[in-house]
Amino acid sequence: GQQVMQIPQYQHVQEGEDFTTYCNSSTTLSNIQWYKQRPGGHPVFLIQLVKSGEVKKQKRLTFQFGEAKKNSSLHITATQTTDVGTYFCAQDTGRRALTFGSGTRLQVQP
Amino acid sequence: DTAVSQTPKYLVTQMGNDKSIKCEQNLGHDTMYWYKQDSKKFLKIMFSYNNKELIINETVPNRFSPKSPDKAHLNLHINSLELGDSAVYFCASSQDGHSPLHFGNGTRLTVT
Repeated sequence: GQQVMQIPQYQHVQEGEDFTTYCNSSTTLSNIQWYKQRPGGHPVFLIQLVKSGEVKKQKRLTFQFGEAKKNSSLHITATQTTDVGTYFCAQDTGRRALTFGSGTRLQVQP
Repeated sequence: DTAVSQTPKYLVTQMGNDKSIKCEQNLGHDTMYWYKQDSKKFLKIMFSYNNKELIINETVPNRFSPKSPDKAHLNLHINSLELGDSAVYFCASSQDGHSPLHFGNGTRLTVT
């Protein structure tokens, strides 16, 4: 089945440093969604990207969808301790369900 | 008002027992799901229902039986629990199966 590879698996940064997580697919995606899961919490929707080359920003978070719609990235500028959690990309399987990437766990050292 | 609520939050039980997890959404969504998250945080879809109809059953052992009495509810019954069933189970809903998911708070199942 379709698989979305997500890297890195884990990243530890100092507060104020930037952070990026990447998702790569072997197939063209119709759209991609990003979720954040705080420790002990549940995944929370952040954003959906649909168009080729799309870039969306939410405060310090920048989301990109590749031109070929096979990859996506989430970049956080000047991380804060509130950014701690696991970030997941998720692809629409076309069967009314999402397949999630393996997630990137972000730790922020104050 | 909780959009997607699932109970119980924690479930500790012994191998061989049968247990159920309940889920309800008040968002008026058509599609509901069960996802399993293991200790490595992998989120794997188990089932999806659209308007009470089973859409996806992702090679889940038949010890797991979902039931959707109406489109606002999706329960999960597990027979003959095994150690490997220990995980966090998330219920989720979506407007139409392509829109963003709204997750419940999860049920942490521990099988001893």
